[in-house]
Amino acid sequence: GAVVSQHPSRVICKSGTSVKIECRSLDFQATTMFWYRQFPKQSLMLMATSNEGSKATYEQGVEKDKFLINHASLTLSTLTVTSAHPEDSSFYICSAPAGGSGELFFGEGSRLTVL
Amino acid sequence: QQQVKQSPQSLIVQKGGISIINCAYENTAFDYFPWYQQFPGKGPALLIAIRPDVSEKKEGRFTISFNKSAKQFSLHIMDSQPGDSATYFCAASISGYALNFGKGTSLLVTP
Repeated sequence: GAVVSQHPSRVICKSGTSVKIECRSLDFQATTMFWYRQFPKQSLMLMATSNEGSKATYEQGVEKDKFLINHASLTLSTLTVTSAHPEDSSFYICSAPAGGSGELFFGEGSRLTVL
Repeated sequence: QQQVKQSPQSLIVQKGGISIINCAYENTAFDYFPWYQQFPGKGPALLIAIRPDVSEKKEGRFTISFNKSAKQFSLHIMDSQPGDSATYFCAASISGYALNFGKGTSLLVTP
């Protein structure tokens, strides 16, 4: 199947700093990518839809100025958590549809810990 | 609002048994129903998916049963193995749009 790669897999940062997470589609092009957030033992909650060449669409309750999304190319979307706080500590996962089937492929996730 | 409701929250099955997880949805526009398996610290991996034009799909030990009129679908894991112990998520979407996930089922298969 299609491969989606995320980097870094784990990141620890100090409160108040910014962290960038990359999501790449390795063997296909993705005009759309989805960013999810998952707290321990909970489900995946959609944060935003990243659109290549245009602004991201954020879900209700997600601060767009805090979670900056850039979809600069057909294979790369980035999520920047700005001025991170301990409550932003979570597992961030990206996904992208491959082909016309609607099937979504997920990255391995990025574990963010804010001290 | 949870668009996909999943049960049970946790499940313990003996090795060789059948694991059954159920999901229900409300939005009749959904046309794609996948199941994902997730191990701790990993992203979800697609197990099997179905579209509403078929009532059942089988891949190896995994079977999806789909009841369009009841707006329900379920995952059956036959001959469950300890290696199947993971969290399983059902999901639903309109093709091309983001998935709506159930809350997940933690499956433990005992030796």
